[in-house]
Parts: sequence; C-alpha cells; structure tokens
Amino acid sequence: AQTVTQSQPEMSVQEAETVTLSCTYDTSESDYYLFWYKQPPSRQMILVIRQEAYKQQNATENRFSVNFQKAAKSFSLKISDSQLGDAAMYFCAQTQGGSEKLVFGKGTKLTVNP
Amino acid sequence: DVKVTQSSRYLVKRTGEKVFLECVQDMDHENMFWYRQDPGLGLRLIYFSYDVKMKEKGDIPEGYSVSREKKERFSLILESASTNQTSMYLCASSHPGSPYEQYFGPGTRLTVT
Repeated sequence: AQTVTQSQPEMSVQEAETVTLSCTYDTSESDYYLFWYKQPPSRQMILVIRQEAYKQQNATENRFSVNFQKAAKSFSLKISDSQLGDAAMYFCAQTQGGSEKLVFGKGTKLTVNP
Repeated sequence: DVKVTQSSRYLVKRTGEKVFLECVQDMDHENMFWYRQDPGLGLRLIYFSYDVKMKEKGDIPEGYSVSREKKERFSLILESASTNQTSMYLCASSHPGSPYEQYFGPGTRLTVT
C-alpha cells in the first residue's frame, strides 16, 4: 500500500521567518501528483500547492514553494515570510495508483509565533 | 469557485442511533469522497463514489454505508452509531482525471454519547 509520511507532528516558526515541512512518500508509479493542503483551525481544508511528478521544476505559489526530489521520494513545503495566518495543520497527499483517490499523511501542526 | 457544503458543523447523537451526514457540491463533479479525520491519524478514506449510484470502499468502511442518488449529493450513513465513531467527518469532491485535486467541505464534528 502506498504511504505518505510526515515526520514532524508539530513545528513552530517566528513570524517573517522561513519554515520547511517534510514529507516522504512511497510509490511504484512513474507518473503521479503530490499536494500540500492547509487546514486552519475550525476552517475548511484548502489546496496550497500541487506538483506533477513528471515536471522537474519545483512548483511555487507566492510564499509557498516545494522541494521535489523524485529519486528520494521527498516533497517538502517551504513557507517564506511566515504570517500568523499560516498557522494550521498541513497535510501532504499523493495520488494513489492511477486512481482518483488520494493518500494523506498524518499532518504537521504549524504554529506561528508573533 | 467550487463549493462543497455539509449539512451540519456539529452533531451529537446517542449510541445505536442511525445517523445521516449529507454533502452537496455545486461544480458537477463526478467524484465524491467521505473521510474521517482523527488526531494523529490524518485523513482516512471511508467511501468513494465515482458516479451516481456507484461506490467503492475506502480504507475504513466498517460501520458505514453511503448513498448517491444524485450527482451533487453524497450521504454517509452510520447504521448504528457507536462511541468509536466520534470524529470529524470531511466530504470532498473532484473532477475525474488530472490534476486530481479534491475540494473539501467544512467538516462535521460528530460526537456519539
């Protein structure tokens, strides 16, 4: 079974600093998608960023970027210039075996300190 | 923007009750999903539907059933609620094929006493 591992249950960062959240995954597929989702406290889960495995270039969305290492099966999320509104649970997810389903990691709780 | 709504944000039910959780999406998505979210366990897929009246078991279907009579609506049913089904339930929808992005509802926090 495919697995997604987030090794950091909790992280904290000072406002305006940079933080990196780790994610590793396991798949035998050559083509797949990876996602980072954000779930703010008591609010809806939203997509932060997506990466297509066949694209070597790392995806970027404003202050959010990824470091995609396909050979190492690593997909970390970097948040630059952290803001108080970035405080949330972050989930890494991977498409599952060519199906429409996603496999999620257990999540990383990010705290942003003022 | 895609909108996924869930019938209740908070629900309290008694052990043995039949519980219905409703989810509606407004983007004509073929795929709909029900997840359970527990601290330290992440999101676990309960059931998946890829078309009206079509369903597929996820990783933890025991104790649950689903119904999809219309494309926009996907219901999760707890036939006889138990205390170990106390959890946050998330509904999601997606359009088939790349990029497989799922859009989530706000969640229903169910407490079974």
